[in-house]
Amino acid sequence: EAGVAQSPRYKIIEKRQSVAFWCNPISGHATLYWYQQILGQGPKLLIQFQNNGVVDDSQLPKDRFSAERLKGVDSTLKIQPAKLEDSAVYLCASSPRGLGGTEAFFGQGTRLTVV
Amino acid sequence: SQQGEEDPQALSIQEGENATMNCSYKTSINNLQWYRQNSGRGLVHLILIRSNEREKHSGRLRVTLDTSKKSSSLLITASRAADTASYFCATNYQLIWGAGTKLIIKP
Repeated sequence: EAGVAQSPRYKIIEKRQSVAFWCNPISGHATLYWYQQILGQGPKLLIQFQNNGVVDDSQLPKDRFSAERLKGVDSTLKIQPAKLEDSAVYLCASSPRGLGGTEAFFGQGTRLTVV
Repeated sequence: SQQGEEDPQALSIQEGENATMNCSYKTSINNLQWYRQNSGRGLVHLILIRSNEREKHSGRLRVTLDTSKKSSSLLITASRAADTASYFCATNYQLIWGAGTKLIIKP
């Protein structure tokens, strides 16, 4: 079974530039999560999708971050414009059922460096 | 705010010894999960325990849950070098995470 795919693996941008990350969850998984993990900290949930609807985006900085999950499959996370404090690993995860009832499967993440 | 908090923040033991780490959480849960993160394999799910369970085993892992104290513990027996990683607990629906316990296994 293929895992969660993320791209790119690494990205370096200057502050105020824009960047987009892509995630392809495991086939058939209804729930998709985007997390931000700053070095030395645990993952912080940014947004949770159930199929193509948003379940929770309370911690998403909506003035600069946006995310979509078209057709309930792939998802993109965008930052515009980026700030230095956005430097982190962005993790995508999926799970078969919603509402945290089962384990989540994680991609390898995208390491973003904002300079 | 973080829902789960792991304790200790760091733990260094000899290979073959047992390692115990704890997790405390703030609100009611319906399940608690433990994950491991290392540079090679990213974040990997270890074990899930439901709120109506008190103890669960998986190989060398033993997890306990005390809902009255809002706490869980993860025991790794007969530790190996490959167990060197950060360990996180995550609760419930939004999988809200603590900062993790960094475990180092010394050869």
